[in-house]
Amino acid sequence: QAVVTQEPSLTVSPGGTVTLTCGSNTGAVTSDHYPFWFQQKSAQAPRTLIYDTTKKHSWTPARFSGSLLGDKAALTLSGAQPEDEAEYYCLLSYSGTHVFGTGTKVTVL
Amino acid sequence: QVLLVQSGAEVKKPGASVKVSCKASGYRFSDYYIHWVRQAPGQGLEWMGWLKCKNGDTRYAQKFQGRVTVTRDTSISTAYMELNELTSDDTAVYFCARVGRDDLWGQGTMITVS
Repeated sequence: QAVVTQEPSLTVSPGGTVTLTCGSNTGAVTSDHYPFWFQQKSAQAPRTLIYDTTKKHSWTPARFSGSLLGDKAALTLSGAQPEDEAEYYCLLSYSGTHVFGTGTKVTVL
Repeated sequence: QVLLVQSGAEVKKPGASVKVSCKASGYRFSDYYIHWVRQAPGQGLEWMGWLKCKNGDTRYAQKFQGRVTVTRDTSISTAYMELNELTSDDTAVYFCARVGRDDLWGQGTMITVS
């Protein structure tokens, strides 16, 4: 089973920009992995922010965007708000099975 | 209202099995996939498998192959996840979910193995 790696933690200033990445030990992450990004706040169920690399859910704030950056999937938060403090997980598809990333704790400080 | 409602918390002995239900309402059950995801206390999300509700096709994470079974009863719009040979490592909150554009999550079911 693949291993999907994210930064354990990142800190961003209010109004600042931060980029989270999602890498795979099997090689470059591509659009064929259909990268998802989820946000999870404490004691709540996760929710999809981004799917299929770049597509946003109806509730995804415009300040979030998904992309491929080098050989990884990336989630960029531009103009961080206090309410963005949360855990973020990527999810990659490997020919039908899926693997979550290790998660990134984002602190807005 | 579009909902996924899961069964309640359970406590199980090591070696036992558990079956969690996930009842869909407010949408056509067969039109979607349902994923099963778990989260151990203080840990990250772990993908377990998916169910194609239309025809019952399933895919499981390699880690759970042979120990997990996901089924459905379309007559009552309900999906099930059964996990066998439980150990303390299976103590977690278990979620059923639609992911992506059609994101929808159950409330989670706490399974304690002790």
